[in-house]
Amino acid sequence: AQSVTQLGSHVSVSEGALVLLRCNYSSSVPPYLFWYVQYPNQGLQLLLKYTSAATLVKGINGFEAEFKKSETSFHLTKPSAHMSDAAEYFCAVNTGGFKTIFGAGTRLFVKA
Amino acid sequence: DVKVTQSSRYLVKRTGEKVFLECVQDMDHENMFWYRQDPGLGLRLIYFSYDVKMKEKGDIPEGYSVSREKKERFSLILESASTNQTSMYLCASSPMLYRDGNIQYFGAGTRLSVL
Repeated sequence: AQSVTQLGSHVSVSEGALVLLRCNYSSSVPPYLFWYVQYPNQGLQLLLKYTSAATLVKGINGFEAEFKKSETSFHLTKPSAHMSDAAEYFCAVNTGGFKTIFGAGTRLFVKA
Repeated sequence: DVKVTQSSRYLVKRTGEKVFLECVQDMDHENMFWYRQDPGLGLRLIYFSYDVKMKEKGDIPEGYSVSREKKERFSLILESASTNQTSMYLCASSPMLYRDGNIQYFGAGTRLSVL
């Protein structure tokens, strides 16, 4: 069975600081991995995806994530936080079927 | 751009009412999904549909039903609303499977309050 664990329900960073949101997954087969972002009062939108090509994946708005099979991790990073990055971020795993498993979400706060 | 439109942003209903949540997508996607989102629990799949008139239960189908009479429209029905169904409901669609692991496109959500 698949599962996703996001470490930290809330993360707070200063503007200009590194953003690191942690995600660990469990899957018995090679997974597809995703990060979605949800801005206030909006639905989720895809930030980036890993589909077994390059292990370092670049997404929109300067975010990137690295797939580490040995650590079963897919952490999301951005070198320099911007106020507009304040949102909730969801890590998700899919193994090719209809069901995608979402993590509980991490809310990112950015301080001026 | 893919557009997934949910008919209501906010709904307030009474316990016992029958509630319809409507979702329409404009990208000819085969698959459509209904999730509920609760703080600390992420998204939980209620039902999904992979074709017109086809539906499958997700992880929390109890108290819900769905209808898909046309490819672009997927409705979620609460037969008799209860207070524990107060939540944010998200609709999503995705193209045929085996493309990119089922990337989903989401509507803006319907926040339902059952009093």
